Amino acid sequence: DAMVIQNPRYQVTQFGKPVTLSCSQTLNHNVMYWYQQKSSQAPKLLFHYYDKDFNNEADTPDNFQSRRPNTSFCFLDIRSPGLGDAAMYLCATSSQTGVVRATQYFGPGTRLLVL
Amino acid sequence: GNSVTQMEGPVTLSEEAFLTINCTYTATGYPSLFWYVQYPGEGLQLLLKATKADDKGSNKGFEATYRKETTSFHLEKGSVQVSDSAVYFCALTTSDGKYIFGTGTRLKVLA
Repeated sequence: DAMVIQNPRYQVTQFGKPVTLSCSQTLNHNVMYWYQQKSSQAPKLLFHYYDKDFNNEADTPDNFQSRRPNTSFCFLDIRSPGLGDAAMYLCATSSQTGVVRATQYFGPGTRLLVL
Repeated sequence: GNSVTQMEGPVTLSEEAFLTINCTYTATGYPSLFWYVQYPGEGLQLLLKATKADDKGSNKGFEATYRKETTSFHLEKGSVQVSDSAVYFCALTTSDGKYIFGTGTRLKVLA
């Protein structure tokens, strides 16, 4: 089945220690998104890629970076995690962008714990 | 600006009860509307969607109709099960394809 895969499902890191979360997809979608979701809140968009074109949200902290080496993979790098970065991180994909009908398909998420 | 308003939760129902979760929106233009479901510890799963006025999305017994006149997209199910317990998010897409989410409504179904 075509899907969005996130690894690991749970990640524990130390305060200030860089961490990388990964996302892969077999849907062959052009667009990949990273969201941060804190407890009992809606997902918050951090950035997205349209092919290799990176689009950062205005309020995304510089501490968050992303890489997309090819169509299938996208990484979220947190350079110096703080306690406030503990959250669920969701990856999503879409075959379209800039289109009102674009449907996003989400992975299972990675829950990040910062000690 | 664009926004989505959902009813506050939690909503607690007995098994086989009728479910309505209200969702209203404010948007410029003609957005597409979505319902996603999130089970504990999981990502968001697309439940249903509608892309134009009067469209009805349906899936797994859930339904929602895109009502432009009332700017609403209420989620309904005739008979809920314990396995429907989850958080439900209403969302719309803006003209650039980005999602605007509601705050989510937690549903608890008791046996």
